[in-house]
Amino acid sequence: GQNIDQPTEMTATEGAIVQINCTYQTSGFNGLFWYQQHAGEAPTFLSYNVLDGLEEKGRFSSFLSRSKGYSYLLLKELQMKDSASYLCAAMDSNYQLIWGAGTKLIIKP
Amino acid sequence: ETGVTQTPRHLVMGMTNKKSLKCEQHLGHNAMYWYKQSAKKPLELMFVYNFKEQTENNSVPSRFSPECPNSSHLFLHLHTLQPEDSALYLCASSQGTGLYDNEQFFGPGTRLTVL
Repeated sequence: GQNIDQPTEMTATEGAIVQINCTYQTSGFNGLFWYQQHAGEAPTFLSYNVLDGLEEKGRFSSFLSRSKGYSYLLLKELQMKDSASYLCAAMDSNYQLIWGAGTKLIIKP
Repeated sequence: ETGVTQTPRHLVMGMTNKKSLKCEQHLGHNAMYWYKQSAKKPLELMFVYNFKEQTENNSVPSRFSPECPNSSHLFLHLHTLQPEDSALYLCASSQGTGLYDNEQFFGPGTRLTVL
């Protein structure tokens, strides 16, 4: 079956760095997405990785290892506004997104 | 603002009611999606439309009926729902459904409560 695993909840301190991990098992693989969802709002696109390696975009970076079925989202210089849920989704061979349940990130001052 | 709007934002209905959810995208996209989001569960894909044609129906009960009159509008018609159908219903759109055009833009969702 197809499955995405990510931690349910994480807590970090303002100004620090946090890494949110995601492992996936899909029928075929066509890339991995990360989305951010603030409470009561729409999920918004953060990153898409299809090749191995790290992609940096400002304070946020996303890493992919296809051989390990593993990705992480790295958030640096955490701000209070980064408190949100972070959704991991892998695209399978039919180009359909398989979603994780999301990681709720709590930032403390 | 993601360019995808949904109405209503909140809906409370009885099990015998009939209601409809509306989604509109202003991005010129060709694909539209309905998702169900329940607390602490993964997003569940319900329906996919590409160029107004339904391409996915993930074993959704018939009490949910989608309608896509054109590439910009998507409806979800609801009738005789069950309390377990209470959830956040998200609409999304993307340029296409292939490898490089599948970035999905989401609306804010409709919070549905079935009594």
